[in-house]
Amino acid sequence: AQRVTQPEKLLSVFKGAPVELKCNYSYSGSPELFWYVQYSRQRLQLLLRHISRESIKGFTADLNKGETSFHLKKPFAQEEDSAMYYCALRATGANNLFFGTGTRLTVIP
Amino acid sequence: DAGVIQSPRHEVTEMGQEVTLRCKPISGHNSLFWYRQTMMRGLELLIYFNNNVPIDDSGMPEDRFSAKMPNASFSTLKIQPSEPRDSAVYFCASSLGGGGRQPQHFGDGTRLSIL
Repeated sequence: AQRVTQPEKLLSVFKGAPVELKCNYSYSGSPELFWYVQYSRQRLQLLLRHISRESIKGFTADLNKGETSFHLKKPFAQEEDSAMYYCALRATGANNLFFGTGTRLTVIP
Repeated sequence: DAGVIQSPRHEVTEMGQEVTLRCKPISGHNSLFWYRQTMMRGLELLIYFNNNVPIDDSGMPEDRFSAKMPNASFSTLKIQPSEPRDSAVYFCASSLGGGGRQPQHFGDGTRLSIL
């Protein structure tokens, strides 16, 4: 069975400091991993996906199959990064996503 | 495009009452998902439809929960009878195409409070 673990419910960092939101997964096959974000008063939306290997709003995430992790990183946090972040996994051939419990990031000015 | 539209935005009702949540997916999207969000469990998939057909309802917590998609532009999630532990934010999402490769687009959610 698939499982996505986000060990931190709350994370606070100062503006300009590096930030890392942790995500670990459990899946026997080859997964597809995503990060979704929900800013205050906005809808939950896709931030990035591992197959795109892209940087969005300064965030990157690398799939580490050895450690079964997909941590979200940004070298210098901004106040506008404060939001709820969800890591999600799609199993091979599946149409649905398994979400973690989410991490609320607060960037302190 | 207004995106995924959910109604009502807020619902407060007494336990034992029937609750119906509504969702209009993005036009042309053929996959629709219902999620429940709580502090303790995060975002849980309740059920999803592909081409109006329920594909996986294993996340539906109890028989008190039911979902329908009578056509491509409308879905309902019903709770009968409702209980205080059903209090949560319920999200609907839709996506284009099968295989899950397209991003899911979420609605604003319905905040449900059962007294």
